[in-house]
Amino acid sequence: GAGVSQSPSNKVTEKGKDVELRCDPISGHTALYWYRQSLGQGLEFLIYFQGNSAPDKSGLPSDRFSAERTGGSVSTLTIQRTQQEDSAVYLCASSLGSVSGNTIYFGEGSWLTVV
Amino acid sequence: SQQGEEDPQALSIQEGENATMNCSYKTSINNLQWYRQNSGRGLVHLILIRSNEREKHSGRLRVTLDTSKKSSSLLITASRAADTASYFCATGSNSGYALNFGKGTSLLVTP
Repeated sequence: GAGVSQSPSNKVTEKGKDVELRCDPISGHTALYWYRQSLGQGLEFLIYFQGNSAPDKSGLPSDRFSAERTGGSVSTLTIQRTQQEDSAVYLCASSLGSVSGNTIYFGEGSWLTVV
Repeated sequence: SQQGEEDPQALSIQEGENATMNCSYKTSINNLQWYRQNSGRGLVHLILIRSNEREKHSGRLRVTLDTSKKSSSLLITASRAADTASYFCATGSNSGYALNFGKGTSLLVTP
């Protein structure tokens, strides 16, 4: 597609429920990133994909968080047993290659509210 | 982890004035990028400066990089109300896979 597409734009879920957030990167971009941004804060790195593999998942805050990428394209971030502190904007980004010298392009984010 | 730290946290100026934002980082970098974010949504890339560059221009934007001081500055000249946004610096290290972002500078430009 023309840009990074994320869905849903907004999600309100009850504490304890599982949620899935989807990211469709720019066509041809091999690198894909997930970040989290809490209200008024900077971006917190979660996970990086190169193709379908995740060489760096060091930012995932707990084992309730997981992500996968299939076909070198679409990625899904899953949060199990959501907690109120999971409320944030989840931003996906993609780039042609690694960040060394490459611009990364962000989607509009998925705003998650856990009530 | 957040490596870049922007300063000031918030900046309020009038249209026509220049806005300067600073970024400091801790470890060696390959490049440093500046991004803009409107209303807490997606970030838009503004400019990338490589570690062997000292200054770069793009329209009304001017970015400098001082690797000896591990700092960068973003200057927006002749600011407009539409420049109101949060501005983030991000660094990509030689060994890292992803960009590390600071907490950003919130810029308000009043007419």
